[in-house]
Amino acid sequence: AQKITQTQPGMFVQEKEAVTLDCTYDTSDQSYGLFWYKQPSSGEMIFLIYQGSYDEQNATEGRYSLNFQKARKSANLVISASQLGDSAMYFCAMRENSGYSTLTFGKGTMLLVSP
Amino acid sequence: EADIYQTPRYLVIGTGKKITLECSQTMGHDKMYWYQQDPGMELHLIHYSYGVNSTEKGDLSSESTVSRIRTEHFPLTLESARPSHTSQYLCASSEPTGGAGKKLFFGSGTQLSVL
Repeated sequence: AQKITQTQPGMFVQEKEAVTLDCTYDTSDQSYGLFWYKQPSSGEMIFLIYQGSYDEQNATEGRYSLNFQKARKSANLVISASQLGDSAMYFCAMRENSGYSTLTFGKGTMLLVSP
Repeated sequence: EADIYQTPRYLVIGTGKKITLECSQTMGHDKMYWYQQDPGMELHLIHYSYGVNSTEKGDLSSESTVSRIRTEHFPLTLESARPSHTSQYLCASSEPTGGAGKKLFFGSGTQLSVL
């Protein structure tokens, strides 16, 4: 079963507007971590934001915030005031805290920011 | 921030050749990973290591092999390259502590094309 689901293959947003990228996850663990990474066309993976399953507050990092709804098992990324440089692939990922758990990625969402 | 380096950045090679993709990190991280990513697709874990002389296969079956003789070095080898091996290969390492919150630091990737 797919552990990370990103249902939006592509999203368009105008510069300076906010955009939400969806991510749902599946786990039976109580302790887990959720991550978002950005991958520009150059190919490197850039860490954006992290949310722990026990964190009561939604994580924020500058223009990025994570809308964490534990009961719905969703961890949507919100980018405020989009910039042209935000155009990239965005990957949601999860690590379960059981044993030697590794990071599992979703299929990604391509975000295009227009002027 | 971890410094993690991959060489070469791009590699075009003929079928049947033996290749080694290099990955080195300078932060002393014990845990290192190799992911394979086809264009526009998600990352798939193909190998990981939790320390010197420790290597494990990931979720996606791969004909490649890895070694971990030194903490800082985690090379990936293909004994006989085939066109089906054409893909991007991303190396990563992770922080030693932090439970489920350990984030991955990625190299710039190697784009492999086998003709």
